[in-house]
Amino acid sequence: AQKITQTQPGMFVQEKEAVTLDCTYDTSDPSYGLFWYKQPSSGEMIFLIYQGSYDQQNATEGRYSLNFQKARKSANLVISASQLGDSAMYFCAMREGGGSTLGRLYFGRGTQLTVWP
Amino acid sequence: GAGVSQSPSNKVTEKGKDVELRCDPISGHTALYWYRQRLGQGLEFLIYFQGNSAPDKSGLPSDRFSAERTGESVSTLTIQRTQQEDSAVYLCASSLAGTSGYSYEQYFGPGTRLTVT
Repeated sequence: AQKITQTQPGMFVQEKEAVTLDCTYDTSDPSYGLFWYKQPSSGEMIFLIYQGSYDQQNATEGRYSLNFQKARKSANLVISASQLGDSAMYFCAMREGGGSTLGRLYFGRGTQLTVWP
Repeated sequence: GAGVSQSPSNKVTEKGKDVELRCDPISGHTALYWYRQRLGQGLEFLIYFQGNSAPDKSGLPSDRFSAERTGESVSTLTIQRTQQEDSAVYLCASSLAGTSGYSYEQYFGPGTRLTVT
């Protein structure tokens, strides 16, 4: 079974609008972390935001927020006020492991976001 | 400070040849990871080093793949007898280690694009 599922191969949003990128995960480990990375066409992987499984509040980093619904095992990324520079591939990832900050990341297949003017 | 560096940035090799890919992690990062990204796909875990612990090799796809790390420094990923299906971008990442509650995200290098002809 897939650990991370991203069901939207592509998304389009107009500049200045908000967009939600979906991510569901599958784990039986009670302790885990969820990450979102951005990969522009240049290929670099840029860390955006992190949510720990025990965090009570949804994570926010500037225009990025993570809509964490633990019971539904979803960790959607919300980008507010989209900018042309947000056009990129977005990957959701998970790290399992109680009490550890180390370990492999499981990645989804990604969502290609295109922001149009 | 300096980020994760990888060399070469591009490598074209003939089927059957051996290749070595190098990764220099961020200074002070004790954990080092290798991932593979095939065209249009998510990242696939290969191997993970942490300090003096035995590496997690569970993601290596075959015995043609191996990796070494010198202390908490440089790592080399070696692919023997390359095949066309080995063509991909090979990404290295490093991270700090610590107690839970922090993201300790993985910082990625720019990758090595391997093409096997």
